[in-house]
Amino acid sequence: RKEVEQDPGPFNVPEGATVAFNCTYSNSASQSFFWYRQDCRKEPKLLMSVYSSGNEDGRFTAQLNRASQYISLLIRDSKLSDSATYLCVVNAYSSASKIIFGSGTRLSIRP
Amino acid sequence: EAGVTQFPSHSVIEKGQTVTLRCDPISGHDNLYWYRRVMGKEIKFLLHFVKESKQDESGMPNNRFLAERTGGTYSTLKVQPAELEDSGVYFCASSPQPSAGGLYNEQFFGPGTRLTVL
Repeated sequence: RKEVEQDPGPFNVPEGATVAFNCTYSNSASQSFFWYRQDCRKEPKLLMSVYSSGNEDGRFTAQLNRASQYISLLIRDSKLSDSATYLCVVNAYSSASKIIFGSGTRLSIRP
Repeated sequence: EAGVTQFPSHSVIEKGQTVTLRCDPISGHDNLYWYRRVMGKEIKFLLHFVKESKQDESGMPNNRFLAERTGGTYSTLKVQPAELEDSGVYFCASSPQPSAGGLYNEQFFGPGTRLTVL
């Protein structure tokens, strides 16, 4: 079983739609959680951290469910520029060290 | 401020040859990481430097891979001899030391080196 699992998609939704991704992780000791965004042939970039209480950044909302070991990302009012691969990332250690990536969920927004 | 830079951007070599990848982290970042993404797979951790010391090299696939960070500045990753399965994109990332009591600082990624072994 992979340590971090994501639905690979692709998700193809119209502009303005709301779309949600889920991610599950296997290590219950994991402490830090993130969503990264990766554009085609580019490097991953941090989109947002995920906190236990849930957090929101504009159109993006991230949730963490420790009991079920899953993380979610909700994108509201999607824009064409949101088209990218979204990577679920988990840090399993209590130091700035190894992070574990999911394989990513591809999102395509159509006009 | 300059971001993480990597050189070369692309490298095409034949099986059995040697290739050296270079990473220049963001100035002042003590932490430097190497990752690799092979075709169709997720990005995987290779190793982590804190300054010039290897903090964690549990992700290095085998002894054909050698990473160095002399002087705690830039880092090199050498593959010798290269095999077909080494093809992929090699990313470098850097981060500052976490603040007191902090668990994690954002890792800033370089654009990657696309390695093709024929």
